[in-house]
Formats: sequence, structure tokens, C-alpha cells
Amino acid sequence: EVQLLESGGNLVQPGGSLRLSCAASGFTFSSYAMSWVRQASGKGLGWVSIVSGGGGSTYYADSVKGRFTISRDNSKNTLHLQMNNLRAEDTAVYYCAKTSGVTVTGIDYWGQGTLVTVSS
Amino acid sequence: QLVLTQSPSASASLGASIKLTCTLSSGHNRYAIAWHQQQPEKGPRYLMRVNSDGSHNKGDGIPDRFSGSSSGAERYLTISSLQSEDEADYYCQTWGTGIWVFGGGTKLTVL
Repeated sequence: EVQLLESGGNLVQPGGSLRLSCAASGFTFSSYAMSWVRQASGKGLGWVSIVSGGGGSTYYADSVKGRFTISRDNSKNTLHLQMNNLRAEDTAVYYCAKTSGVTVTGIDYWGQGTLVTVSS
Repeated sequence: QLVLTQSPSASASLGASIKLTCTLSSGHNRYAIAWHQQQPEKGPRYLMRVNSDGSHNKGDGIPDRFSGSSSGAERYLTISSLQSEDEADYYCQTWGTGIWVFGGGTKLTVL
């Protein structure tokens, strides 16, 4: 059974940093691209970033480019999102998502999410 | 520019069927999409992938009441024998080189 468990969400001040993690199990982690998707309260889903199965290719939404860094540790089946220079508009539930292929393709599993609140 | 368009809301009666639509932007009618369901106060759940030829691949445990189809730039999700637990937000998603796109979502109300 595929399981994705996010952690690291918290309350942080504007300009601060936070690191999210996603522990994956139930599949061969390195064979699939992984992604972060966020959802502000009452709003729709928004793509944040994606990393290929081997970790060599990363992509970011324009809204987070230069501030967020996605990475993965295939030896520990873990996905990370380093978030720097956080803004109020980054406040959202952040979901870890598995794709159905090694490169950019559709999501086939979701985690339960972790809440990030950016506020003074 | 790769864009997905969904109607903001839809409604149908308990036991009826409904067809939700996701429209790809001009020039992108060969793209596959994925449908996701988000019930109130829950995280999203993958339903299925719908290809441009209308074939679809459902996620684990998705009931047969859910099916997908395609016509031109439109991708459809049909739910038959509507149940109260089908009341949810439904999102379509597609992808290109280094980019993911979500539609704005359709809020389905089961009357």
C-alpha cells in the first residue's frame, strides 16, 4: 500500500524558513517523480514543485522560484521542500504527491497534507 | 499557454448521473489529464487518468460508477448512481515539460 506522510508544517514569521518532509512507503521510491502541491484555505489546488525520480531534474512554479528548493533522498525514501523567505501568501496546506512515472506526469497518490502558516 | 477550464459548480440528484467537463486550452487537445476528488475537510484523492483517445486508468478502489471519456479538447468525468459521498470538489490536472496545471475545480452538489 502506497503511503505518503508529510511533516514539518508550522507557524513561521514572514521572511522565515521552513523545511517540509514526506516519508514514502509501499513503492519503489526512486522510480517515480514526486511533487508538492498546495492549497490555501477555501481555494483550489496549486502546483509548487516537482522532482524526477533520480533527482536530477527539478521544476518550480513561478511563484516560488528562487525561494523554494525541492530535493529527495532515495536511500531514505524521503522527499523534502526547503522554503525560504516565506510570505503570507505561502500560507496553505502542502501536499506531497506521487506521480505515475519517473519524469513529469500525472499524480496517482496524495498524502494527507501539512499546514504552513506564515504570519507575524 | 497550457490552461484547464472547469465549471465552478454542478448539481444533480441522488441516484442520477452527471458528466463533469475539463477543457484544454487551444493547441493542447492531445494532452492526457488526471481527475482528482476532494471531499469536504479531506485531502485530494486520485480518481483516474483520461487519455486523448478516451481510454482511462482508474486509481485503486475507485468504484465502477466513475468513468472517463474524451472528445477533442474536452475530458470528461461521469459519475453514475450518485451517492451522498460523491458531493465533493473535482479537479482536473495536466502536465507538460516542467510544468503542472490544475483546473479551478468543480464543486458538485448532490441534491
